[in-house]
Amino acid sequence: DGGITQSPKYLFRKEGQNVTLSCEQNLNHDAMYWYRQDPGQGLRLIYYSQIVNDFQKGDIAEGYSVSREKKESFPLTVTSAQKNPTAFYLCASLRRGGKLFFGSGTQLSVL
Amino acid sequence: SQKIEQNSEALNIQEGKTATLTCNYTNYSPAYLQWYRQDPGRGPVFLLLIRENEKEKRKERLKVTFDTTLKQSLFHITASQPADSATYLCALDLMNYGGSQGNLIFGKGTKLSVKP
Repeated sequence: DGGITQSPKYLFRKEGQNVTLSCEQNLNHDAMYWYRQDPGQGLRLIYYSQIVNDFQKGDIAEGYSVSREKKESFPLTVTSAQKNPTAFYLCASLRRGGKLFFGSGTQLSVL
Repeated sequence: SQKIEQNSEALNIQEGKTATLTCNYTNYSPAYLQWYRQDPGRGPVFLLLIRENEKEKRKERLKVTFDTTLKQSLFHITASQPADSATYLCALDLMNYGGSQGNLIFGKGTKLSVKP
């Protein structure tokens, strides 16, 4: 079955460390997105990519970086510059008609 | 400032009743409005999309209305069941503002609990 795989499910970051969240899709979708979700908050867009080798900043891109070297993959790096990284991170791809298809998320916590 | 609000953080109803969730927005003119369901620890799942020129959309026990004059969408679940318990998110798609398709503005969600 087609879908989006996010890994790991849980991730812990030490202070000063960069960590990378994986997002892989086999849906053949062109556009992919990274959202951050904090308790009691709406989803906020970090980065998005409409095509391979191109990506755009969302509303809260500071402290994050991405790459899009392959259509299937859109990894997110949380850098040490992100001072409040604890959150639930969601990767999504764009289905026909403007609908988003989400992965199951990665919970990032700070040690 | 631009805002999207889901009126209730939590809604508790009895099984069999109709659940009605509200989504209000200000200073947007969305082309589409979408509703998603999110279970704890999982990603949101798309439920329904309604266009600005549509008043109502139905899918099984779900119904969505969209009033662009009131800047409001209502999401109804009829004959609710305990399995409907989840957080429901509304999202605006600002395609007509030249934004990237799929760059949705999400509300904070309403947590629905259906008691047997």
